[in-house]
Amino acid sequence: AQSVSQHNHHVILSEAASLELGCNYSYGGTVNLFWYVQYPGQHLQLLLKYFSGDPLVKGIKGFEAEFIKSKFSFNLRKPSVQWSDTAEYFCAARPSGATNKLIFGTGTLLAVQP
Amino acid sequence: DAGITQSPRHKVTETGTPVTLRCHQTENHRYMYWYRQDPGHGLRLIHYSYGVKDTDKGEVSDGYSVSRSKTEDFLLTLESATSSQTSVYFCAVDWGERSTDTQYFGPGTRLTVL
Repeated sequence: AQSVSQHNHHVILSEAASLELGCNYSYGGTVNLFWYVQYPGQHLQLLLKYFSGDPLVKGIKGFEAEFIKSKFSFNLRKPSVQWSDTAEYFCAARPSGATNKLIFGTGTLLAVQP
Repeated sequence: DAGITQSPRHKVTETGTPVTLRCHQTENHRYMYWYRQDPGHGLRLIHYSYGVKDTDKGEVSDGYSVSRSKTEDFLLTLESATSSQTSVYFCAVDWGERSTDTQYFGPGTRLTVL
């Protein structure tokens, strides 16, 4: 079955530290990839997405992600986190083709300490 | 802002009572979705719609039904609410006509079943 794995369930960082959140998907064909962020008490917001082209995609708020096809990975990065980045981050994959379904990982809760 | 509203935003109900949640969108999107969000599970798809009167099941559809009589409204009904259906429910739309377009989410409904 198609799935998305986020191996870091809870990450605690100090301000200015670098961030990398792992995401792996299990699907052999063409897939569109997304990172969403959910701030406390709010809905999911799109951070960035990859459909095709340059595997290094830049999103809002200084986030970026790199698609590595050979590793089935789409890791999220930010060089220097801020307290305001405290949130839950979800990776999602959407295989192109017949299915409309967006498959989510279980999320990574990031706490940034001032 | 994806033009998605959900009502009610919060609801407390008792086991065995019927509950209907409403998702309303103003941008004439074809595809609409209902998810539930639970700790440790990420977002799981309940039902989705690909047009007026066209709906299909997601991975956790038991105990839920949906209806879409107008493009702008997608209703989720719990016929007889159970405590296991206590959750946060999110509606989403596809921003485009293709099945692999980006999904945008509504503000969510927090449902508590006592």
